[in-house]
Amino acid sequence: KAGVTQTPRYLIKTRGQQVTLSCSPISGHRSVSWYQQTPGQGLQFLFEYFSETQRNKGNFPGRFSGRQFSNSRSEMNVSTLELGDSALYLCASSLAGTRETQYFGPGTRLLVL
Amino acid sequence: GENVEQHPSTLSVQEGDSAVIKCTYSDSASNYFPWYKQELGKRPQLIIDIRSNVGEKKDQRIAVTLNKTAKHFSLHITETQPEDSAVYFCAAQPKLFGSNNNDMRFGAGTRLTVKP
Repeated sequence: KAGVTQTPRYLIKTRGQQVTLSCSPISGHRSVSWYQQTPGQGLQFLFEYFSETQRNKGNFPGRFSGRQFSNSRSEMNVSTLELGDSALYLCASSLAGTRETQYFGPGTRLLVL
Repeated sequence: GENVEQHPSTLSVQEGDSAVIKCTYSDSASNYFPWYKQELGKRPQLIIDIRSNVGEKKDQRIAVTLNKTAKHFSLHITETQPEDSAVYFCAAQPKLFGSNNNDMRFGAGTRLTVKP
């Protein structure tokens, strides 16, 4: 089976812009979770989607949003970008949720200037 | 919400020695505790996990122990090899779904270096 894929792999944006990241889970996986990884804050959970519904949400501002499509692909959107949003954004998929083995994608490295 | 602390932040061992990484958590409702390994420039990979109804789990050279009373869990790697060098993250997740406090919380990570 193909692994989790994320596009784009690298992005450079300026403050105030918005960005959309995409994640394609492993075939058959219905759960997609998003994480932000930074040197200062480590790995932080953003949200989890299951069957097109947001099931869990971390402690991030409303500028961070997401959605999941009927084919389980997920997108994450960040509006009004801030310098502090520069990070590696990882998505992970699993069959049924974050309590099972999650398979991470390669990540999208976002740089906000 | 959950708070996870991980120690040490860096650990250097000689090849063949054992390595132990410890994590503590605050939310007694947490019942799922995965460990991830992240090599430089690569994605995190689940190496072992444990649920709160089990005290210990082992997979070849890797073992995890859980003390629910003390709210801490540990990763043990025996007979370390240079390829074990990576950053290891622990995590804890409460069991309640549908809550905004049900997010998975990660430790800050431990950078393990195994010297040949």
